[in-house]
Amino acid sequence: DAKTTQPNSMESNEEEPVHLPCNHSTISGTDYIHWYRQLPSQGPEYVIHGLTSNVNNRMASLAIAEDRKSSTLILHRATLRDAAVYYCILRQGGSEKLVFGKGTKLTVNP
Amino acid sequence: DVKVTQSSRYLVKRTGEKVFLECVQDMDHENMFWYRQDPGLGLRLIYFSYDVKMKEKGDIPEGYSVSREKKERFSLILESASTNQTSMYLCASSFNSGKFHPGELFFGEGSRLTVL
Repeated sequence: DAKTTQPNSMESNEEEPVHLPCNHSTISGTDYIHWYRQLPSQGPEYVIHGLTSNVNNRMASLAIAEDRKSSTLILHRATLRDAAVYYCILRQGGSEKLVFGKGTKLTVNP
Repeated sequence: DVKVTQSSRYLVKRTGEKVFLECVQDMDHENMFWYRQDPGLGLRLIYFSYDVKMKEKGDIPEGYSVSREKKERFSLILESASTNQTSMYLCASSFNSGKFHPGELFFGEGSRLTVL
């Protein structure tokens, strides 16, 4: 399974934008980029996914580099409820499996 | 609302006991997964199933087995629990995706197992 690299932790202030980076230099052409997050004492929840183009939804935006070797999850205005561990995952096309790494722990300061 | 329900939030068992962790989903999903989560190691896939009576090993299947007799239910079995199986266990489910369209995973709240 292709590997992703994320910072162990990041901090942000409330109501400011947050950019969470992910490196995936060994990505293959059919790998989707998925982001999940895990709030304290809960199971992970889906945030967003993309293949080549940038994606937006009600939770976040996903910016994918042109060479697809990196991506950035953007939270436009962080709230205290966004404090969580964020996982960047590569999912092979045709595979039902998701292999999670260790993620980035995001702390949001009031 | 979408729901994945795990039978117990907290369990305490003794070494050598047989342990069943049950997971039920109400979304008619084909795929179901069992992960364990440990500090510093993240989530690791134990087993998954893409259909009734079908199963595939994940990254750490040793010491575990699974059962999927009905579409909505996926059980994780520890035949003889050991202390190194103390962990948080997370169940998830998803629709079968098309060949290149991955389905979203829905997770339960987790079952924290302590083996003494």
